[in-house]
Amino acid sequence: SQQGEEDPQALSIQEGENATMNCSYKTSINNLQWYRQNSGRGLVHLILIRSNEREKHSGRLRVTLDTSKKSSSLLITASRAADTASYFCATVFLLGAGSYQLTFGKGTKLSVIP
Amino acid sequence: EPEVTQTPSHQVTQMGQEVILRCVPISNHLYFYWYRQILGQKVEFLVSFYNNEISEKSEIFDDQFSVERPDGSNFTLKIRSTKLEDSAMYFCASTAYNSPLHFGNGTRLTVT
Repeated sequence: SQQGEEDPQALSIQEGENATMNCSYKTSINNLQWYRQNSGRGLVHLILIRSNEREKHSGRLRVTLDTSKKSSSLLITASRAADTASYFCATVFLLGAGSYQLTFGKGTKLSVIP
Repeated sequence: EPEVTQTPSHQVTQMGQEVILRCVPISNHLYFYWYRQILGQKVEFLVSFYNNEISEKSEIFDDQFSVERPDGSNFTLKIRSTKLEDSAMYFCASTAYNSPLHFGNGTRLTVT
């Protein structure tokens, strides 16, 4: 399975601190994506990093990708209470005939304490 | 911004009954997906659909499950004879090629 696995499973920090979540996977990928899920809601795409990229930024988010170690990290800087959610990495593997499969890890539950 | 819509938001059904979960993907997207999430667990891939046919399906997507795109806008997931363990949030998603998935807010299916 090329499923991503996040760690830690749960993370609790104070508002203003940085939060780092890691994701490891097993096989070659086309790209890796991070999603956020508020409790009981759908997943919201945060950032996509392609296999030939090493780092991407979007606002307070920074994602790195190390294809040699098959790992990625998501850093949220200056966290806010509103960042409290579950964060999932998803690995994307291109199939034939123009299709691709996206497989989610188990997620990291982030709690930001005001 | 266009979004994926799912109906109903909550469906309660008795074991053995058939259910149809409905999704309206974003109009110019070509790839469609169903995922499910049992409470407190990870998001699991069920099926992907492209060019009016299933392109990939997981072990979960057995003969009890089927998908359809009946009219070019709706994308449905049917469970023929529901089981207690089918209780979960079911998410529909759509995308253009090699782009992020856009998810709906899900349908919570409760099988009693």
